[in-house]
Amino acid sequence: QKEVEQNSGPLSVPEGAIASLNCTYSDRGSQSFFWYRQYSGKSPELIMSIYSNGDKEDGRFTAQLNKASQYVSLLIRDSQPSDSATYLCAVNSGGYQKVTFGTGTKLQVIP
Amino acid sequence: DGGITQSPKYLFRKEGQNVTLSCEQNLNHDAMYWYRQDPGQGLRLIYYSQIVNDFQKGDIAEGYSVSREKKESFPLTVTSAQKNPTAFYLCASSTNSWELFFGEGSRLTVL
Repeated sequence: QKEVEQNSGPLSVPEGAIASLNCTYSDRGSQSFFWYRQYSGKSPELIMSIYSNGDKEDGRFTAQLNKASQYVSLLIRDSQPSDSATYLCAVNSGGYQKVTFGTGTKLQVIP
Repeated sequence: DGGITQSPKYLFRKEGQNVTLSCEQNLNHDAMYWYRQDPGQGLRLIYYSQIVNDFQKGDIAEGYSVSREKKESFPLTVTSAQKNPTAFYLCASSTNSWELFFGEGSRLTVL
């Protein structure tokens, strides 16, 4: 079982719609959760961090964490073509001083 | 401006050669990381360092070496023992909350 799992996509949504990206993780001791956006040929950039159960909103982005289900999600409201990128889920386990990434979900926003 | 500088951006290596990728940060972060990304893949951890003069192997350390003599610098050497070194190499540093900030990456091609 992979430590961090994501559907590779592509996930296609029309412009203005809500994009929903999902991630599951295997280590119940995980404490810190992140979403990164990576444009083709570029390095990842951090867009959301979440550390406790529930929702965290930042502009058009909402991260949701459910530790009981070992599940993290990212919602992007009013999706724009500029949101088209690969979204990487990353997890830090408390006992290990490292951050593990999923393989990413490719999002395509159709104008 | 604070950030992470990787060099070179593009590098070509002949079979049997060692090459060193540079990574410098001025964010005053203690922790630094090297990841490898292959086309269509997620990020895989090569080495990480939480403090000067100390570093740990990640998931794919074979064929690589690092040093951490200064807080600001974490160079990665790709040795001839690495059988498939062609990849996109990403250096990052992190806050105490495990938020990673990446350099622009170095693209290594074996001729």
